[in-house]
Amino acid sequence: AAGVIQSPRHLIKEKRETATLKCYPIPRHDTVYWYQQGPGQDPQFLISFYEKMQSDKGSIPDRFSAQQFSDYHSELNMSSLELGDSALYFCASSLTPSGALDNTDTQYFGPGTRLTVL
Amino acid sequence: ILNVEQSPQSLHVQEGDSTNFTCSFPSSNFYALHWYRWETAKSPEALFVMTLNGDEKKKGRISATLNTKEGYSYLYIKGSQPEDSATYLCALSTSGTYKYIFGTGTRLKVLA
Repeated sequence: AAGVIQSPRHLIKEKRETATLKCYPIPRHDTVYWYQQGPGQDPQFLISFYEKMQSDKGSIPDRFSAQQFSDYHSELNMSSLELGDSALYFCASSLTPSGALDNTDTQYFGPGTRLTVL
Repeated sequence: ILNVEQSPQSLHVQEGDSTNFTCSFPSSNFYALHWYRWETAKSPEALFVMTLNGDEKKKGRISATLNTKEGYSYLYIKGSQPEDSATYLCALSTSGTYKYIFGTGTRLKVLA
């Protein structure tokens, strides 16, 4: 079965550079979520999109922005990178928003993009 | 700020032993509790989603229970095998939000 695809899988950037991470959800899934996992930490929710609109926002820095496109893929844009941005960035997708009153669709995770900022 | 806690943080068991660990969460605005299995260098794999107090789910040797009134879920592994070695994450979703709140995970190592 098709899974969530993330690219690139690994990325190395210098401080103050920009980076763009891409996420392709499972076919028919209309919701994507971005998570950041720092070394030794649990995943932290950044932002989510449902039907191309931002549906929820977590601890996403102002230097980061994201969007969901008409084909439902999503991109996380990160500017003015800092050393502390080095982390594993996961994207997940679901069919309808988790937490909606009439569904419990599970989020399915991609393999993650490991970002290293030097 | 909602906090989801898991215990123990790590666990070593012998092959064939049965084991269990706990996920504790605030019971207000509860919507669903999710369990994931996460192996190194792979993405989290969904195991269970539970919504009702008293829910019990089973998948092979792994099962889970849910108590929403007291705010905890147990994950049980019967007859642990080395391939069960992974981090087991629970995640809480609450009414009206589109995000999970993850626990800190329990790192299980099954020794052959």
